[in-house]
Amino acid sequence: EPEVTQTPSHQVTQMGQEVILRCVPISNHLYFYWYRQILGQKVEFLVSFYNNEISEKSEIFDDQFSVERPDGSNFTLKIRSTKLEDSAMYFCASLGPGLAGVEQYFGPGTRLTVT
Amino acid sequence: KNEVEQSPQNLTAQEGEFITINCSYSVGISALHWLQQHPGGGIVSLFMLSSGKKKHGRLIATINIQEKHSSLHITASHPRDSAVYICAVRFGNEKLTFGTGTRLTIIP
Repeated sequence: EPEVTQTPSHQVTQMGQEVILRCVPISNHLYFYWYRQILGQKVEFLVSFYNNEISEKSEIFDDQFSVERPDGSNFTLKIRSTKLEDSAMYFCASLGPGLAGVEQYFGPGTRLTVT
Repeated sequence: KNEVEQSPQNLTAQEGEFITINCSYSVGISALHWLQQHPGGGIVSLFMLSSGKKKHGRLIATINIQEKHSSLHITASHPRDSAVYICAVRFGNEKLTFGTGTRLTIIP
């Protein structure tokens, strides 16, 4: 069964450093998402991406965040200058062609720890 | 404001019991998802509903569009069902809005 993969599984970084979280969505999917979950809190939407551009972003997704699909397979989330409050689990998801009747498939997540 | 409420927040039951987790939302939706999150953190999609009822093994999900309410049922619960169950809805656009989750613990 096809799956969304994410690397690394755990990233530890110092405050102020840049991090890039990587995702490989399911190959024939066209819509991609990043979500995050701070420990003990609910999952929150960050950004959606379609046709090589951001289609929607939340208020969390400020200028410190960016997304990119550098090639036909990877989908990346970059945090330019990490803050302590960026520590969270980051989930990538992808959705198949056509929104109706199609499920979002989630990756296993990357646990980001900012020290 | 588009909101998703789940109940209960925590549920502990004996193995074999019938489990019900509830989800209600504030305005009309295009789809509702039930997700399972295990202690390691990974999220698995269980169901996507826009109407009616779906069944997969011991899991049943129902949705009542008029009442803006969905339920997830687990029959013959087992300790391996212990996880956090999350309701997430799509309010017409693409992104999902998540509930706070229900932590289910099944005791042998």
